[in-house]
Amino acid sequence: DAKTTQPTSMDCAEGRAANLPCNHSTISGNEYVYWYRQIHSQGPQYIIHGLKNNETNEMASLIITEDRKSSTLILPHATLRDTAVYYCIVRVGGSNTGNQFYFGTGTSLTVIP
Amino acid sequence: DVKVTQSSRYLVKRTGEKVFLECVQDMDHENMFWYRQDPGLGLRLIYFSYDVKMKEKGDIPEGYSVSREKKERFSLILESASTNQTSMYLCASSLGGPHKNIQYFGAGTRLSVL
Repeated sequence: DAKTTQPTSMDCAEGRAANLPCNHSTISGNEYVYWYRQIHSQGPQYIIHGLKNNETNEMASLIITEDRKSSTLILPHATLRDTAVYYCIVRVGGSNTGNQFYFGTGTSLTVIP
Repeated sequence: DVKVTQSSRYLVKRTGEKVFLECVQDMDHENMFWYRQDPGLGLRLIYFSYDVKMKEKGDIPEGYSVSREKKERFSLILESASTNQTSMYLCASSLGGPHKNIQYFGAGTRLSVL
């Protein structure tokens, strides 16, 4: 699996957009980008994923650069409940064999009132 | 909504005890996973299962075993607990095929081995 690099921590003002970057310069053509988050004392929560097109759902938007070497998760109007560790993961989409993806240490986002 | 339920939120055991961590999911998912999470190390995969009675080792299987006798239940077993197995344990499930990586997690079990 391609390696990902994320900043260790970020702050964002409540009500503003939170833009979380992820670098995955060694991504291969059949690997998807997945984003999860983990709120303190809870299990991780799936947010969104994409291959090459930008994606949006009720939680967030995912912007993937044209060369697919990096992506940005956007929380359009951050709230205090968005304070969490955000994980960017790159992985082939299908197949039931082989080891599963590695979560890494992620970005700790703090939303400030 | 998908629900993944882990039997205990907190567990305290003694060194050498046999420990069972239970996980149940209610969405008929093919895949189930056990991870442990330690500060600074992220989540590490212990074992996963893609079907009943099927299992595959993850990155750190040593000292652990698993059992999946029914599709909805995936058990993690510590045969002889040791202090270095003190950790947060997380269970997850997912559909198979292209949806494998959309995993739903339980709330976690914080295990302390004394």
